[in-house]
Amino acid sequence: DTGVSQDPRHKITKRGQNVTFRCDPISEHNRLYWYRQTLGQGPEFLTYFQNEAQLEKSRLLSDRFSAERPKGSFSTLEIQRTEQGDSAMYLCASSPADLNSPLHFGNGTRLTVT
Amino acid sequence: AQKVTQAQTEISVVEKEDVTLDCVYETRDTTYYLFWYKQPPSGELVFLIRRNSFDEQNEISGRYSWNFQKSTSSFNFTITASQVVDSAVYFCALSEAYTGRRALTFGSGTRLQVQP
Repeated sequence: DTGVSQDPRHKITKRGQNVTFRCDPISEHNRLYWYRQTLGQGPEFLTYFQNEAQLEKSRLLSDRFSAERPKGSFSTLEIQRTEQGDSAMYLCASSPADLNSPLHFGNGTRLTVT
Repeated sequence: AQKVTQAQTEISVVEKEDVTLDCVYETRDTTYYLFWYKQPPSGELVFLIRRNSFDEQNEISGRYSWNFQKSTSSFNFTITASQVVDSAVYFCALSEAYTGRRALTFGSGTRLQVQP
């Protein structure tokens, strides 16, 4: 069990550019979640996958955001035409299907849009 | 809609003091889970405890204890004999129990600073 891995740890981009983040969940975890955390706040739910199916998207996930999980393993979160308001920590979490299991979070990707 | 309130933004204590972090929640669900997570400066959220809404028994794990009171919709967390390594941001969270979605609703966190 190597934990949830996220790449990159930090990303600085200019407004208007596209960025993509990657999350590798704990192997055999079939649920994968993306959260966003701004400074001084708790994480906010963005979307989640069960295997390769994206089962729910928060209203926070605007049209500029897209997430994929091909083959039900790693996931990517892409933000198109970044805005300064997108600056935040993007957290990925995974869990087994068992409802008794907690979410395991990665270290996050900190995005700064200049 | 679900909501979690952590009214204490920041708490500072001296090592070996006891400290209680408050959490009040709102939900229309009759069955739900409550959680506490720790976020050290490294950024990774570390799971501490999960509580089912049916189980109001208090729990103790080493220096940590949790008091769940359904009547007041509270799930408070106490650290006994605090240590510098306890310094972190602590989040209380809530999720539905049976929909399978299990997306967590987090509070805004309480930053705990333990001074040596």
